[in-house]
Amino acid sequence: AQTVTQSQPEMSVQEAETVTLSCTYDTSENNYYLFWYKQPPSRQMILVIRQEAYKQQNATENRFSVNFQKAAKSFSLKISDSQLGDTAMYFCAFIGMNRDDKIIFGKGTRLHILP
Amino acid sequence: KAGVTQTPRYLIKTRGQQVTLSCSPISGHRSVSWYQQTPGQGLQFLFEYFSETQRNKGNFPGRFSGRQFSNSRSEMNVSTLELGDSALYLCASSLAPLAGTDTQYFGPGTRLTVL
Repeated sequence: AQTVTQSQPEMSVQEAETVTLSCTYDTSENNYYLFWYKQPPSRQMILVIRQEAYKQQNATENRFSVNFQKAAKSFSLKISDSQLGDTAMYFCAFIGMNRDDKIIFGKGTRLHILP
Repeated sequence: KAGVTQTPRYLIKTRGQQVTLSCSPISGHRSVSWYQQTPGQGLQFLFEYFSETQRNKGNFPGRFSGRQFSNSRSEMNVSTLELGDSALYLCASSLAPLAGTDTQYFGPGTRLTVL
């Protein structure tokens, strides 16, 4: 069975610092997608970044970037120049490419950006 | 373009009752997925509908059911409510089915409390 593990339940960093959130997953599939979602205190979840497993290049979206290590089944999220608005719950998620595959979320990391 | 809307936003029910939650996707989106979010279990996939057909279903009992209408609006029904059904229920819409990993857009959620 596929699993997604986020080992950091909670983190705090100072504004403008760089922070890395960890995510590991387990799968026997070779092709799949990985995601980071952000859920701010207002509760509306938004997609932060997506990575296709067949792409070796790490995805980047402005201040957000990932370190995708396929062999190690690791998918960490780096937030550069963190801002107060980055305070949120962050979820790592996985989905395979088979029709019956279901999206699986990690338990989340609560990130606090301190002024 | 209006976002994903969910109604009602808050609901209080008692054990044994049933409840229906509604989700209106972004205009043009044909895929609607439902998730249950609890502190203990995190985010769990319930089911996905695409063009009025259920494409996939998570590991939830038959008390949880859903449907999708021709205008892509979706409803989720939970019968014989249990205390453990208290959760935030999120729906998300996308243009393509989830396995195609088109970006999902989440609604604000319905907070269900079962007393």
